[in-house]
Amino acid sequence: EIVMTQSPATLSVSPGERATLSCRASQSVSSNLAWYQQKPGQPPRLLIYRASTRATGIPARFSGSGSGTEFTLTISSLQSEDFAIYFCQHYNNWPLTFGGGTKVDIK
Amino acid sequence: EVQLVESGGGLVQPGGTLRLSCAASGFTFSNYWMTWVRQPPGKGLEWVANIKQDESEKFYVDAVKGRFTISRDNAKNSLYLQMNSLRAEDTGVYYCARKSSDSYFYFDFWGQGALVTVSS
Repeated sequence: EIVMTQSPATLSVSPGERATLSCRASQSVSSNLAWYQQKPGQPPRLLIYRASTRATGIPARFSGSGSGTEFTLTISSLQSEDFAIYFCQHYNNWPLTFGGGTKVDIK
Repeated sequence: EVQLVESGGGLVQPGGTLRLSCAASGFTFSNYWMTWVRQPPGKGLEWVANIKQDESEKFYVDAVKGRFTISRDNAKNSLYLQMNSLRAEDTGVYYCARKSSDSYFYFDFWGQGALVTVSS
């Protein structure tokens, strides 16, 4: 099983600042990685797939990068609606696994 | 508009059974793989099971193999999860999700979830 490790667990950022979230895989997943955003009481929402492709309707301030074992989600200028928990997920093989999440909160 | 609506959650005793349903609308259900993902209270996400369009392929996380069964009824645009021999660690919100239309297993639409609580 591939273990996905996200860091930091919590990231405190001021509105308008840049946020950089990390996701590391215990073995290579190529570019088979997705990012999701989850707000309290809501289901996850797909942000990024194939490590760097934005899903339909996702603002350009969200960007993904990386391949192999190291991945990054960057939010260029945090808006109030971006304060949430972010999860990465690999889909390179079975079982599919998610990272533990990074909570982005207001500084 | 794509909609996925789960139902069937509730409180069940350890060792008990529960059947979750997911009603799909707004897309051609029979064209998509479908998935169940769960989330224990206050914790992260865990993929549970996937099912192919024609039910010819099914995949499960080891923790539920032999206890849970995923199925679907394309005529009713519905996805199901039969959960037997439930344990406390099965407690959580269960989400129904649609797999992407390409050949990769990420999930582009999710339901609001159904809460399953296993407790005596």
